[in-house]
Amino acid sequence: KNQVEQSPQSLIILEGKNCTLQCNYTVSPFSNLRWYKQDTGRGPVSLTIMTFSENTKSNGRYTATLDADTKQSSLHITASQLSDSASYICVVNLPHNTNAGKSTFGDGTTLTVKP
Amino acid sequence: EPEVTQTPSHQVTQMGQEVILRCVPISNHLYFYWYRQILGQKVEFLVSFYNNEISEKSEIFDDQFSVERPDGSNFTLKIRSTKLEDSAMYFCASSGDRENTEAFFGQGTRLTVV
Repeated sequence: KNQVEQSPQSLIILEGKNCTLQCNYTVSPFSNLRWYKQDTGRGPVSLTIMTFSENTKSNGRYTATLDADTKQSSLHITASQLSDSASYICVVNLPHNTNAGKSTFGDGTTLTVKP
Repeated sequence: EPEVTQTPSHQVTQMGQEVILRCVPISNHLYFYWYRQILGQKVEFLVSFYNNEISEKSEIFDDQFSVERPDGSNFTLKIRSTKLEDSAMYFCASSGDRENTEAFFGQGTRLTVV
């Protein structure tokens, strides 16, 4: 079972609209949870980083939330633009001092913004 | 703006051959990583490297893989005897501090094993 699950798998929205992407994780404990944007054929680009004690983090039109009790995170995109079309990936990082310390990636949500 | 650079952008190799993928991390970063992404699948962690040694590695990173920082600027991933299933995009990343700072990814090397 994937320890980081994202939904929906894909999403199509109209330019200018808002959307929210979900990430549920079972990884515990964790050091931080990150959201990345990955354009096709390119490397991921960091959007937000939240430690387990943070509830929300914003980066321009991107706002991430974290509920460590329910093990859920969301990424909200405001006033979408055509350039927002990409895969959005949720990543949970284990603390450094555990033997299994590593990054666990979700499958990503493919967002398509249409004019 | 500083960036992580990877070479080559595309590498084709025959099964059983050794390949070396090269990365130049951002100059003042201390932590270095390799990931792979098989076409159509999610990104997978391979290994992290700090202070000239491996700090963490995944189950994928078996004996056919090795990493090295041969000088002050390069960070390499060697695959000793490539298999067809090694075909993937390989990403290098670096960060100033492992835990809560931003990791910067390179543009990737597409490895095709034939």
